[in-house]
Amino acid sequence: AQKVTQAQTEISVVEKEDVTLDCVYETRDTTYYLFWYKQPPSGELVFLIRRNSFDEQNEISGRYSWNFQKSTSSFNFTITASQVVDSAVYFCALRANNAGNMLTFGGGTRLMVKP
Amino acid sequence: GAGVSQSPRYKVAKRGQDVALRCDPISGHVSLFWYQQALGQGPEFLTYFQNEAQLDKSGLPSDRFFAERPEGSVSTLKIQRTQQEDSAVYLCASSLGSYPSYNEQFFGPGTRLTVL
Repeated sequence: AQKVTQAQTEISVVEKEDVTLDCVYETRDTTYYLFWYKQPPSGELVFLIRRNSFDEQNEISGRYSWNFQKSTSSFNFTITASQVVDSAVYFCALRANNAGNMLTFGGGTRLMVKP
Repeated sequence: GAGVSQSPRYKVAKRGQDVALRCDPISGHVSLFWYQQALGQGPEFLTYFQNEAQLDKSGLPSDRFFAERPEGSVSTLKIQRTQQEDSAVYLCASSLGSYPSYNEQFFGPGTRLTVL
């Protein structure tokens, strides 16, 4: 079975602070994909990043960076110099190759960035 | 349109009523997914179509839930005899290719169903 855990249900920071959102996953598959999605108040899920299980390189995109560590089954997401527009719910998700085509989501982390 | 669209955006039903939720995927996308997102939770998989074939319905919570995609494009999720626990946002997603190859899923805005 696949499982994604986001232990932080809610985080509140002040603008310009850095913040890290944690994600821990479980799967028996050796081939899988990990994702982060952003869900603003409008409700639509916005794709942020995809990582496959064979690529442990960390990635940076502007103020966003991701740290994938297979040894700890973690795929953490850091926002540098947070902005009010970053306020949203963030979901980590897993797609395991032998578990069908669906995404398994974590419970989400609500990030509130205050001015 | 360029993205996945869903209608209606909001639906209020009385307990026991039947409802039908519609999803228009991105044109040409082979795969279509339905997810259910309860308040404060992450989305949970309901069912998956590859063209008109429903290849996985393991996530449908009961036999009151039924989905179809008869011509391989538009899909309808039907819930019969709605119950209060069916209240949730129903998300539709589509992707270009088909299992087992990976293809990114693009999500629609969702339909918020409230059962009174």
